[in-house]
Amino acid sequence: EVQLVESGGDLIQPGGSLRLSCAGSGLTFSKYAMSWVRQAPGKSLEWVSAISAGGANTDYADSVKGRFTISRDNSKNTQYLQMNNLRAEDTAVYYCAKAASSTWYLFDSWGQGTLVTVSS
Amino acid sequence: DIQMTQSPSSLSASVGDRVIITCRASQDIRNYLAWFQQKPGKAPKSLIYAASSLQSGVPSKFSGSGSGTDFTLTISSLQPEDFATYYCQQYKSFPPTFGQGTRVEIK
Repeated sequence: EVQLVESGGDLIQPGGSLRLSCAGSGLTFSKYAMSWVRQAPGKSLEWVSAISAGGANTDYADSVKGRFTISRDNSKNTQYLQMNNLRAEDTAVYYCAKAASSTWYLFDSWGQGTLVTVSS
Repeated sequence: DIQMTQSPSSLSASVGDRVIITCRASQDIRNYLAWFQQKPGKAPKSLIYAASSLQSGVPSKFSGSGSGTDFTLTISSLQPEDFATYYCQQYKSFPPTFGQGTRVEIK
């Protein structure tokens, strides 16, 4: 069974930085593209960023481009999201999502999420 | 970006009811459409991909249909564990986008 476990969420002041992690098990982690998807309180889901299976290619939503950086370490079965210059509107639960084998943006497994709160 | 619009935003239904949720894309997405179920405080769960294909382990009471711009998710006989919020998502074009959700509540 695929398991994705996020960590790193916290209360952080505007302008601050935070790094989220997502550890995978029960899968050959290095075979799959991965994404981060967030959900602000009471809102729908918003795709944030994706990384290819090998880590060479990345994509970002316009709302985070230039502030967030996605990366992965396949030797540790872990992906990361480095978030800089955080804003109040970045407050959300951040989910790690595994891509289906056929496409980056079809998600077939999700982690339980980690809460990021940006507030002074 | 492709806009995904779900209707209704919420509905009340009884156990045993047949429930239909619709999702409309702002442009043709062929069949690149997925459905997710989310319960309060929990992660989304993948139900359907390619508009009508069930993810492994998802019960057959869930079904999806449609192509192009108009899609539906049907729950054939609502059970207590089905009360949740349902989201559609297109993965035809970058960036992937989600509908606003349909909350299914107990009548």
